[in-house]
Amino acid sequence: GAGVSQSPSNKVTEKGKDVELRCDPISGHTALYWYRQRLGQGLEFLIYFQGNSAPDKSGLPSDRFSAERTGESVSTLTIQRTQQEDSAVYLCASSPRTGAQETQYFGPGTRLLVL
Amino acid sequence: GNSVTQMEGPVTLSEEAFLTINCTYTATGYPSLFWYVQYPGEGLQLLLKATKADDKGSNKGFEATYRKETTSFHLEKGSVQVSDSAVYFCALRNTGGFKTIFGAGTRLFVKA
Repeated sequence: GAGVSQSPSNKVTEKGKDVELRCDPISGHTALYWYRQRLGQGLEFLIYFQGNSAPDKSGLPSDRFSAERTGESVSTLTIQRTQQEDSAVYLCASSPRTGAQETQYFGPGTRLLVL
Repeated sequence: GNSVTQMEGPVTLSEEAFLTINCTYTATGYPSLFWYVQYPGEGLQLLLKATKADDKGSNKGFEATYRKETTSFHLEKGSVQVSDSAVYFCALRNTGGFKTIFGAGTRLFVKA
């Protein structure tokens, strides 16, 4: 079946502009995660959605970052007034449910470059 | 708090060499442990996992044993191939939690 998809695959923007990144999780997966991966570094947790529960936003680095998810479908991550330090690969993952043993399925990522 | 430390790369090996990538963790509970792999140009994918102490995860010739006494989950493969060249991430998720804590990644290059 289809995996997690993300769009765009690459985005180049100017400092100060807003960007919107999209994630389509695997159908039926209730949990959805956003991560940021800076060059040469590990994954940094940003935000987590589980079904209709309130999302955990504890990883968002500033109030310029926000994310939404409609039910158990598409999610969008919005970065307002982008800064050069926002340049990174933004990864989305989904899993069938929440649990310590659950495998996360990752999308290919959106590579963001802020000039 | 929870954390994962893995050996720095890059690691460069010749084909058929033995591979070890060290991973140690700090966790307050009883985490599940994972190795994810990122092949060039592809997204992360699960390589193997272990959910309790002394469990061994294995896949594609790779193995890792959950060692609670040494808080380690080292990745091993007896004979690497060029196609194993990738970045490998060790990760943990604690019981009742949802956040996955990732290590910084170890890049592996395998030469023919």
